[in-house]
Amino acid sequence: KNEVEQSPQNLTAQEEEFITINCSYSVGISALHWLQQHPGGGIVSLFMLSSGKKKHGRLIATINIQEKHSSLHITASHPRDSAVYICAVRKGAQKLVFGQGTRLTINP
Amino acid sequence: NAGVTQTPKFQVLKTGQSMTLQCAQDMNHEYMSWYRQDPGMGLRLIHYSVGAGITDQGEVPNGYNVSRSTTEDFPLRLLSAAPSQTSVYFCASSLQGNTEAFFGQGTRLTVV
Repeated sequence: KNEVEQSPQNLTAQEEEFITINCSYSVGISALHWLQQHPGGGIVSLFMLSSGKKKHGRLIATINIQEKHSSLHITASHPRDSAVYICAVRKGAQKLVFGQGTRLTINP
Repeated sequence: NAGVTQTPKFQVLKTGQSMTLQCAQDMNHEYMSWYRQDPGMGLRLIHYSVGAGITDQGEVPNGYNVSRSTTEDFPLRLLSAAPSQTSVYFCASSLQGNTEAFFGQGTRLTVV
């Protein structure tokens, strides 16, 4: 079983819909990262969080340490949000363990 | 502000050839790492470095070598390329191991 599981693996939605991507992990962590990867592109860090909630524009990330679960929300989704979203957890001081990613497609 | 720069962006190798993937960062980050990304799998750590002169193995180190002679550069060497090394490779850096990670644009490598 993977240490980091994301759901769903694929998500298709209409523009303006509220999007939720989930990440569950089974190990102790010092931080959790949400990353974005556009097709053929590099990887961009969206959030790093170790507790509570962070917001940046239309993106919101939450984490529940006790339940070992994090969610990434996108409000008023737009076709340019179409990308693969990756959850990664930091074990110990240095190593990142990645989920398989969630492929999000937003149709106009 | 260049961030993390990887070269080349694309490469095709024949089985048995060697090559070096370059990674450079201009943010004075101590921590650098190499990952490979394969379909259906999350990124996997190949090698990492916590500072100049210090490297260590990650999850999938076989067939790869690294060195860290300067803070800025962290090249990844394929000694004798194999088709199983066909993948997309990402270099990442962070100020320290537990801070925000910055990724390069990736190198798509095909070994035939």
